[in-house]
Amino acid sequence: ETGVTQSPTHLIKTRGQQVTLRCSSQSGHNTVSWYQQALGQGPQFIFQYYREEENGRGNFPPRFSGLQFPNYSSELNVNALELDDSALYLCASSLGGTGGTGELFFGEGSRLTVL
Amino acid sequence: AQSVTQLGSHVSVSEGALVLLRCNYSSSVPPYLFWYVQYPNQGLQLLLKYTSAATLVKGINGFEAEFKKSETSFHLTKPSAHMSDAAEYFCAVTGGYFGNEKLTFGTGTRLTIIP
Repeated sequence: ETGVTQSPTHLIKTRGQQVTLRCSSQSGHNTVSWYQQALGQGPQFIFQYYREEENGRGNFPPRFSGLQFPNYSSELNVNALELDDSALYLCASSLGGTGGTGELFFGEGSRLTVL
Repeated sequence: AQSVTQLGSHVSVSEGALVLLRCNYSSSVPPYLFWYVQYPNQGLQLLLKYTSAATLVKGINGFEAEFKKSETSFHLTKPSAHMSDAAEYFCAVTGGYFGNEKLTFGTGTRLTIIP
């Protein structure tokens, strides 16, 4: 049990819609990272939030956006959904900064299907 | 920039046989390297990590990996496969300092155990 929880676990949307995915980080962690895992692929880094600030972004368009809240939970928002956005979205929490341990703790993911 | 290459998208071994999953990395800075395991419909679980200490790293469930700088490799091994080892395995790399857990993953190796 990693303590990282994600919601919803499954959802279906249609092209052009918007979606919000949520993540509660493990107690004591101040960093949340989001990854997209397409079917049969490894996870791809979307972005990372450290103490409520974006701290790095992967090669994803601006319609992928996020937030981190004072309690270090996080949201991933995707606007104008496309078919290729269908994937498992993984949230991972960690202890960043000088106290970091180099280890990510992953939730079980939110599986998004875009029709 | 960092990248990893996992050789063999599918590996099958008999129960009780040696497991060897291959990972080669490329990094412009001294790397931190990780192996994660993913069971069906679940998130990723850390098996082991290399963070510039001992080059032979022991992880959970009897797995270990050896960092070989001269070969830019970080192969995962287990002396005797068990049926419960059947899963997807991902090698990942990040820049070598704590607090920067933006992982670059390989494409994964699906391990099948033959009874």
